[in-house]
Amino acid sequence: ELQQLDSGGGLVQPGGSLRLSCAASGFTFNSYAMSWVRQAPGKGLEWVSTISGGGGGTFYADSVMGRFTISRDNFNNTLNLQMYSLRVEDTAVYYCAKLSWYTSGWIDSWGRGTLVTVSS
Amino acid sequence: IVLTQSPGALSLSPGEKATLSCRASQSVNNNYLAWYQEKPGQTPRLLIYGASSRATGIPDRFSGSGSTTDFTLTISRLEPEDFAVYYCQQYGSSSWTFGQGTKVEIK
Repeated sequence: ELQQLDSGGGLVQPGGSLRLSCAASGFTFNSYAMSWVRQAPGKGLEWVSTISGGGGGTFYADSVMGRFTISRDNFNNTLNLQMYSLRVEDTAVYYCAKLSWYTSGWIDSWGRGTLVTVSS
Repeated sequence: IVLTQSPGALSLSPGEKATLSCRASQSVNNNYLAWYQEKPGQTPRLLIYGASSRATGIPDRFSGSGSTTDFTLTISRLEPEDFAVYYCQQYGSSSWTFGQGTKVEIK
């Protein structure tokens, strides 16, 4: 089961920073890649970032490259997303997602989502 | 890779057949294409992976087909619980993309 901590989300001013966390359970965490996917209010799904099972491979959407950093703690079964230089257009519900393979794959489990609002 | 879904919205009655299209701007490696269903207030649910493989627990009225750049999700007979938004997604490259979604609404 994929559980997503609500800690880290919330309201932040443009240019600010936030760190999202997602605690996983119910599967062998370090065997699967993980991703962050976001959904702006009333909009569709947008892929943000993916990290391989061991953490050695990371990938980012162009819209967040250089501003967001994905990481994972395989000891504590936690996925993180450090967000810097936040923009109004980063406002969205952020979902952590478990992938089907070690390096990539389809999303077979979603977290509950945490809302990030970037506004002055 | 840009994924374009059509139509943007589909108005149908329960029992009718729904045909949703997803077209890729370039070839999707190994046909690594998935379909998800999203309902208001719920997280997305995986329906199809690998273009045509049904996920665990998905009714057989849902089927996926297609290859390379043209993919289709078919719902053979719409049930009331099938009215939702459907997204395609490619995972064949290191940079994923989702389609913009097709809303299937009750006529």
